Amino acid sequence: AQKITQTQPGMFVQEKEAVTLDCTYDTSDQSYGLFWYKQPSSGEMIFLIYQGSYDEQNATEGRYSLNFQKARKSANLVISASQLGDSAMYFCAMREGRLTGGGNKLTFGTGTQLKVEL
Amino acid sequence: ETGVTQTPRHLVMGMTNKKSLKCEQHLGHNAMYWYKQSAKKPLELMFVYSLEERVENNSVPSRFSPECPNSSHLFLHLHTLQPEDSALYLCASSQGRLGLAGGPRLFGPGTRLTVL
Repeated sequence: AQKITQTQPGMFVQEKEAVTLDCTYDTSDQSYGLFWYKQPSSGEMIFLIYQGSYDEQNATEGRYSLNFQKARKSANLVISASQLGDSAMYFCAMREGRLTGGGNKLTFGTGTQLKVEL
Repeated sequence: ETGVTQTPRHLVMGMTNKKSLKCEQHLGHNAMYWYKQSAKKPLELMFVYSLEERVENNSVPSRFSPECPNSSHLFLHLHTLQPEDSALYLCASSQGRLGLAGGPRLFGPGTRLTVL
């Protein structure tokens, strides 16, 4: 079974609108972390936002927020006020298990291609 | 925020060649990663080094050989590769406990590898 599932291969959104990118995960660990990354056409992966499994509040970073629903095992990314520069591939990832001193393994989803239109 | 550099950016090699990919960061991060990104497949972790010690080896074929001589440099030595090894190879780094919960904080631009 896939540990990270992103069911939307592609999404379109109009500029200035909000968009939600879906991510569901599968783990039996109590302690885990969820990440979202952005990969523009230039190829460089960019970290966006992080949510820990014990965090009580949803993470927010500027226009990015993570809609964390633990019981449903979902960690959807919400981008508010979309901009043309948001067009990119977006990856959801999960770190399972407790945080170690360094070098933790992430499992990535297959990504969602977002295109922002005028 | 910049900080993780990779060279070369593009590499074409034959199956009998030996080449090396280089990754460098001077951010004081104590963990470095090699990821492989193939078309239509999830990003795959290959190796993780923490404090210059390999802490993860994700069942990667022996034709890929990592080297971490110090906390700022990471190499991926390639020999007798196969055409299916053609992919984007991404290096990343993080600060461990002080970073964002252990996940890669910064990625490099990647090396686009083509094996003929």
